[in-house]
Formats: sequence, structure tokens, C-alpha cells
Amino acid sequence: GEDVEQSLFLSVREGDSSVINCTYTDSSSTYLYWYKQEPGAGLQLLTYIFSNMDMKQDQRLTVLLNKKDKHLSLRIADTQTGDSAIYFCAVTPSTGGFKTIFGAGTRLFVKA
Amino acid sequence: DSGVTQTPKHLITATGQRVTLRCSPRSGDLSVYWYQQSLDQGLQFLIQYYNGEERAKGNILERFSAQQFPDLHSELNLSSLELGDSALYFCASSTRQGDEQYFGPGTRLTVT
Repeated sequence: GEDVEQSLFLSVREGDSSVINCTYTDSSSTYLYWYKQEPGAGLQLLTYIFSNMDMKQDQRLTVLLNKKDKHLSLRIADTQTGDSAIYFCAVTPSTGGFKTIFGAGTRLFVKA
Repeated sequence: DSGVTQTPKHLITATGQRVTLRCSPRSGDLSVYWYQQSLDQGLQFLIQYYNGEERAKGNILERFSAQQFPDLHSELNLSSLELGDSALYFCASSTRQGDEQYFGPGTRLTVT
């Protein structure tokens, strides 16, 4: 079945760019998402990209999709302390029903 | 605020008991998804309903069941509870199937 992998931790300085990476196994994945979870809260949809796109930019967020390598990344420009959270990559394969598979999450620490 | 509501926010119960978690999707959304988030298992997809019908099943135990009602709200029933069932349970909704999901704030279940 589909597998989604992310590194567990990332630490950056305030004002720097953060890049969170994700790899997935199912090349038929149609929707690819990034979610943010702050302590004690639910998951907040940050952005998503369709599999027929290579890049999507939304204010400080840039999503890059490399379908050949099955690699998805989220770049946060000018990272702020408020960006400290867990970031989940998720994919919805086009086969096997509509199960969205989530990665384990990357915990982003932003140092002032 | 995602527009998805979940009740109760917290639930403490004993082993062997049965509980019901409730979810109201965003207005207009036809799909409801249930997830379990625990420290050791990450975010696990449990089950998905679309317009009242079960459409996808994940790692849902036989002791757990769910349904979606005609008004589109959903309930997740957990029975014969075990200590290992302690987790955050999230509901999410989407307009169709497989498109972007919006998460509720979650129900924290503690089994003692």
C-alpha cells in the first residue's frame, strides 16, 4: 500500500527559510497535501497540489512536486516562531478508495 | 475554525466501556473521515463515509463502528475499550471524495 515518509525534526532560525520534505510510494497519487498541527489542536490544511502540477505558491508557502522521484516539499519563507508546529504530508492515491495516507509529521522548531 | 465540530472535547472512561464520538461536517460537505492519532501510531485513517454510505475502510478495529446519518453528521462508536485506545480522535470532512479534508478539533479519549 501507499507509504509516506518524512523526517521527524527540523530546526531553523527565525527569518530563515524552512524546507520540509516528504516522499511517497504510490505514483498514482492525485492530491498531495500539507497540514499543520499546533499543540493541542486539530490539523489545519495549509495547502495542496494536484498531481498534474509541479509547483504551487501561496504567500510564504511554496510547494514543489517531483513526480519522477515521488518527492514533495514545503518551503516556508521568512520562518517565524509562530510557524513552530508539526507539519504533515498527506497523499490520496487514485486507487484503493479514498484513503488519505499521512506521514508521521515533521516537528519544526523555530529559534528566535 | 475549519467549520467541522466534534463533541465531546475530552472523554475519560474505564476499560470495557463504550463511548460515542460525534462529528458535524462543514456545511455542504458530503464526506466524513475518522482518524485516530496516538503517540506511537501517528495519524491513522479509520473509515470514510460519503452521503451516508461507507466508502473506505482503514485500520479500524472490529470493536469500533461508525455511521453517517441523513443530516450528514457522523458518530464513531468505540466499545470494549482498552487502555491502548487512549488517543485523539479526529473527524474531517470534504466536499466530495478524495478532495481536501478539513479537520475538527478532535476528541481526546482517555481510558483508565
